[in-house]
Amino acid sequence: GGIITQTPKFLIGQEGQKLTLKCQQNFNHDTMYWYRQDSGKGLRLIYYSITENDLQKGDLSEGYDASREKKSSFSLTVTSAQKNEMAVFLCASSIFGNQAPLFGEGTRLSVL
Amino acid sequence: QEKVQQSPESLIVPEGAMSSLNCTFSNSASQSIWWYQQHPGKGPEALISIFSNGNKKEGRLTVYLNRASLHVSLHIRDSQPSDSAVYLCAVSPSSNTNKVVFGTGTRLQVLP
Repeated sequence: GGIITQTPKFLIGQEGQKLTLKCQQNFNHDTMYWYRQDSGKGLRLIYYSITENDLQKGDLSEGYDASREKKSSFSLTVTSAQKNEMAVFLCASSIFGNQAPLFGEGTRLSVL
Repeated sequence: QEKVQQSPESLIVPEGAMSSLNCTFSNSASQSIWWYQQHPGKGPEALISIFSNGNKKEGRLTVYLNRASLHVSLHIRDSQPSDSAVYLCAVSPSSNTNKVVFGTGTRLQVLP
């Protein structure tokens, strides 16, 4: 069976720091997603990618960059971490549109 | 821009009761609609999907979709303490089936 691996599981950063989160999937899925989840609430779409080297902005892209250099991996960069920020960043993938995305277990970010 | 709202924000029911969760979306042409379940510290997992008006039943789960009223509901029959989780509604717009937008979530607690 396939798996979506997110690294690191926990990330502690300093205010103003650039932080990078990584996601790998071995399903051979075309589409990959990054979502942010605050306090066990709903998910907000940051970036998605429908194929290698493609990037599409979601509703929350400001303050983030993303990179899809290989089909199997999708990275997200927080360009300048905000003080007291706490959130979970979830990566997902799907084979193509109209298929339910599958999720990793998330990276938990805390900014001091 | 697709908007997805869920209600109630939280729901407490006794074991054995029916749990009813609601989701409204902004575009009647939205292609696919999914319900996800998320346990603490885990990524969301897809539970059930619906594409056409009407209802769909899988085990203890029933989903009702009414595109005209932009409403979809999830009903969990004979709720169990293990059903306690956050439930998320997700929609993909017909204009861009790769872009999956999630709702605000409903936290369900089933009391033994």
